[in-house]
Amino acid sequence: GENVEQHPSTLSVQEGDSAVIKCTYSDSASNYFPWYKQELGKRPQLIIDIRSNVGEKKDQRIAVTLNKTAKHFSLHITETQPEDSAVYFCAAPGTGGSYIPTFGRGTSLIVHP
Amino acid sequence: DGGITQSPKYLFRKEGQNVTLSCEQNLNHDAMYWYRQDPGQGLRLIYYSQIVNDFQKGDIAEGYSVSREKKESFPLTVTSAQKNPTAFYLCASSNVRNQPQHFGDGTRLSIL
Repeated sequence: GENVEQHPSTLSVQEGDSAVIKCTYSDSASNYFPWYKQELGKRPQLIIDIRSNVGEKKDQRIAVTLNKTAKHFSLHITETQPEDSAVYFCAAPGTGGSYIPTFGRGTSLIVHP
Repeated sequence: DGGITQSPKYLFRKEGQNVTLSCEQNLNHDAMYWYRQDPGQGLRLIYYSQIVNDFQKGDIAEGYSVSREKKESFPLTVTSAQKNPTAFYLCASSNVRNQPQHFGDGTRLSIL
């Protein structure tokens, strides 16, 4: 099955700095990589995703990059704001016909004003 | 995301009691999932279902049971066999492969 590792587990930055979270995966057949943001006590919500036919995708201050050769993908947040403080999860799809994604263990991002 | 509704928001379980968490979706999604989240931890899969009347165990199914009698509904029962049920429970759904999951607001379960 898929194995997803996420780093770092905690990331502390000053407001305005950039933040980068990285995930590696094991199944070279994986082709869809979402990122979810979970604020304290709330549901995870999709913030951006990328498919294997592109290497980068941007949405305002958020971007995701994918390196299929190295089997890793990263979330980039620029000009961080206090409201970016949350736990971020990456995921990679299950193998075969499964709909079951494998999640990373999460990164707690703290943005200090 | 108003497409998935979990209830109740908070639930308390007495010793030896079974409790059922509700999950309903109106997104017409085929697949539904239950996750357990402990403080500061990631998402651990309890059960999942890809079609009606079929479901599979996830990584931590012991002490839990589910049913999928309707496409829209996937209730989770926390049985008395689950000795440490205190956690935040999240239900999710998704459609075809390689689409994002949609999560409910969660149910926080505690022991009385």
